[in-house]
Amino acid sequence: AQKVTQAQTEISVVEKEDVTLDCVYETRDTTYYLFWYKQPPSGELVFLIRRNSFDEQNEISGRYSWNFQKSTSSFNFTITASQVVDSAVYFCALSELYNNNDMRFGAGTRLTVKP
Amino acid sequence: NAGVTQTPKFQVLKTGQSMTLQCAQDMNHEYMSWYRQDPGMGLRLIHYSVGAGITDQGEVPNGYNVSRSTTEDFPLRLLSAAPSQTSVYFCASSQRMQGEDQYFGPGTRLLVL
Repeated sequence: AQKVTQAQTEISVVEKEDVTLDCVYETRDTTYYLFWYKQPPSGELVFLIRRNSFDEQNEISGRYSWNFQKSTSSFNFTITASQVVDSAVYFCALSELYNNNDMRFGAGTRLTVKP
Repeated sequence: NAGVTQTPKFQVLKTGQSMTLQCAQDMNHEYMSWYRQDPGMGLRLIHYSVGAGITDQGEVPNGYNVSRSTTEDFPLRLLSAAPSQTSVYFCASSQRMQGEDQYFGPGTRLLVL
């Protein structure tokens, strides 16, 4: 079965620091999708990005960037010049094309950005 | 569009009581799912549905029932609540099951005493 590991339980940084959240996944499928979600203190889940297994290009969106490396089964998320509003729990998730169990989430990384 | 709505927002139950968590979406999505979120464990899939009349089990289905009589609604039933079911429950929907980013509801916080 697919598995997602977010080894960093909690990270604390000072505003304007760069921070990278790690995500390592396991899957037997050749076609799969990787996701990042943000859960701010208010509790809702906010979709950030989806990548499919055939697209290893790194992606940048403003201060956010994602590094997808199939060779190491990793899909890491970097926030540049962090801000207090980035404080949240971040979840990495994996969905296999042919697995009816849908998404498997990592345990999440709680990011605290201090002013 | 209201997106995905969930009721109630918060509920306290006694062990053995039953209740239904409501979930509705107005985006005409075929796929709907229920997750529970527990500290340190991320979100775990309870049940899902790929369309009206079709449901299946996820990773942690025991103690929960679902049905999908319409495209819009996907209620989750606890037949006999247990303290182990204390959790935050999220409903989600997407156009298809595979590879689609899901839209999540605001969550229902359930406390079973």
